[in-house]
Amino acid sequence: GAGVSQSPSNKVTEKGKDVELRCDPISGHTALYWYRQSLGQGLEFLIYFQGNSAPDKSGLPSDRFSAERTGGSVSTLTIQRTQQEDSAVYLCASSSGKRGGSLFGGVKETQYFGPGTRLLVL
Amino acid sequence: AQSVTQPDIHITVSEGASLELRCNYSYGATPYLFWYVQSPGQGLQLLLKYFSGDTLVQGIKGFEAEFKRSQSSFNLRKPSVHWSDAAEYFCAVGYSGNTPLVFGKGTRLSVIA
Repeated sequence: GAGVSQSPSNKVTEKGKDVELRCDPISGHTALYWYRQSLGQGLEFLIYFQGNSAPDKSGLPSDRFSAERTGGSVSTLTIQRTQQEDSAVYLCASSSGKRGGSLFGGVKETQYFGPGTRLLVL
Repeated sequence: AQSVTQPDIHITVSEGASLELRCNYSYGATPYLFWYVQSPGQGLQLLLKYFSGDTLVQGIKGFEAEFKRSQSSFNLRKPSVHWSDAAEYFCAVGYSGNTPLVFGKGTRLSVIA
């Protein structure tokens, strides 16, 4: 697609329910990232995919959080048994996964962000 | 560990005035540095980035940033601010453009007439 898309744009859920957030990266981008933006915490890295594998899951805050990526494209972030502290904006980004470009470190080394999913846990 | 500090939480400038947003980073190697802007309810848009070479980087919307290794800084500047520049600005650092970024906590810019 033309840009990174995320769905839903807004999600309200009750504490204890599971939620799934979806990210569609830019076509051809092999690297995909999930970040969380919450008041007082700023932007925090959650997990990163290169292709379908996740070399870095270090940012996942608990085992209630998981993510997968299939076909090297769409990714789903799942939060089980949601808690109120999970309320945040979840941002997805993608990059080409390749180095270089027309200039060193050109457009191939840029992360493009989606509009985010605003999650509210009541 | 990498870290990014944006010392100013909120800055207010008059339209037409110059702007400088500060960013300091802590990093063990040559960093990849980025500035992103976020308008209310929107995702992040890349303003500019530095990987190597000329330490003065030009970006979109008339913004520029200067990398100063000796000061571990990457400050964002604009000579004349427009009301549409009101937004939140984030500085970020990474090993490369293809690895997770560490973000500062952001600086909110307000523009007054």
